[in-house]
Amino acid sequence: DQQVKQNSPSLSVQEGRISILNCDYTNSMFDYFLWYKKYPAEGPTFLISISSIKDKNEDGRFTVFLNKSAKHLSLHIVPSQPGDSAVYFCAASDWGYQKVTFGTGTKLQVIP
Amino acid sequence: EAGVVQSPRYKIIEKKQPVAFWCNPISGHNTLYWYRQNLGQGPELLIRYENEEAVDDSQLPKDRFSAERLKGVDSTLKIQPAELGDSAVYLCASSFKTSGTNEQFFGPGTRLTVL
Repeated sequence: DQQVKQNSPSLSVQEGRISILNCDYTNSMFDYFLWYKKYPAEGPTFLISISSIKDKNEDGRFTVFLNKSAKHLSLHIVPSQPGDSAVYFCAASDWGYQKVTFGTGTKLQVIP
Repeated sequence: EAGVVQSPRYKIIEKKQPVAFWCNPISGHNTLYWYRQNLGQGPELLIRYENEEAVDDSQLPKDRFSAERLKGVDSTLKIQPAELGDSAVYLCASSFKTSGTNEQFFGPGTRLTVL
């Protein structure tokens, strides 16, 4: 039972354009959402998060949007840079329990 | 600030052999996690510690996996005996429970290959 789904295993974007990574979840108990970025041979690193009381959170080039009614969130990267090429994991948690459930990841390639 | 340290980085063993992974979390982090990441998948939680107490080990295959976190700092994850299906990357992460962000800091992982 995949509670956090990233249906696009890969995405290619031209440098300077917008990258949009999507994530869907099924568990209505999730109330905190995170995006992690992973380079090869390294552990995931935290990128940005959003709580269920918000619908948008922005940090520099990265913005996360949350649509609770659709159980959908997305990560926007503008403008995309070659250094953004990595695997991006969407994750969700029940805040009180602190257990984080990860999606399967989307491999982003930013083409110079 | 030093990050989460894991060793070894790579391990190749034959099936039925034992193997152990070690993790040193970020200083001051009271919560420690062990995850398993299979190829093409996201990390899956095996066990979570708060200080020295295992508060969630529901996903740990207890017939062959064991873990300990002595003194609430370092942790060891053991598999005995290893099976072919245990080949994966084992990730350790830590967090400070009251940080307010649920952010976990991951180590580089140990890539286990069982032949």
